[in-house]
Amino acid sequence: SQTIHQWPATLVQPVGSPLSLECTVEGTSNPNLYWYRQAAGRGLQLLFYSVGIGQISSEVPQNLSASRPQDRQFILSSKKLLLSDSGFYLCAWTGGSTDTQYFGPGTRLTVL
Amino acid sequence: AQKITQTQPGMFVQEKEAVTLDCTYDTSDPSYGLFWYKQPSSGEMIFLIYQGSYDQQNATEGRYSLNFQKARKSANLVISASQLGDSAMYFCAMREGPHNTDKLIFGTGTRLQVFP
Repeated sequence: SQTIHQWPATLVQPVGSPLSLECTVEGTSNPNLYWYRQAAGRGLQLLFYSVGIGQISSEVPQNLSASRPQDRQFILSSKKLLLSDSGFYLCAWTGGSTDTQYFGPGTRLTVL
Repeated sequence: AQKITQTQPGMFVQEKEAVTLDCTYDTSDPSYGLFWYKQPSSGEMIFLIYQGSYDQQNATEGRYSLNFQKARKSANLVISASQLGDSAMYFCAMREGPHNTDKLIFGTGTRLQVFP
């Protein structure tokens, strides 16, 4: 069966520091991968998606970037964090006959 | 205009009773998919149920069913025999188009609280 992992689970970073969040999927090959952000008390906003290694589409302009160095690995990065980058970051992959998006456990980021 | 609208910020239901969570959507694409997710306090988004725009029957998954009214553009989630563990945020989402690269658009969610 397929599983999706994210780490770290929680992160507290100062403003201006770099960021690297990792997402990996097991049990499938060539998945579509997605990064979402959820602000407190809000719905999810799609940040990036990827259909293959090295292929990244950005949905929202911001100081974040994404990379897909391996088939089942998706990384969210920033060179300098802003206060507004605080939130809950969720990675998802697409699977099944209905192309349902399945989510990882998330990373809670607090920028101070 | 909002693509996905969930008008109930919060709902209460007694254990063992049924509850309906409302969702309306707006799209001009004839091919779309509708999803419901549950988000407990841990934060993980748990997939519950899917309804395709061309599906003739309402989707069901155990205690979850989707009341799909295409002409009214509504896709309400019905939870039967509520349990205390059903207390969580519930999000309705839509994918426009048939391709799995199409993004999901989420509503603002409904917080369900189940009491004994």
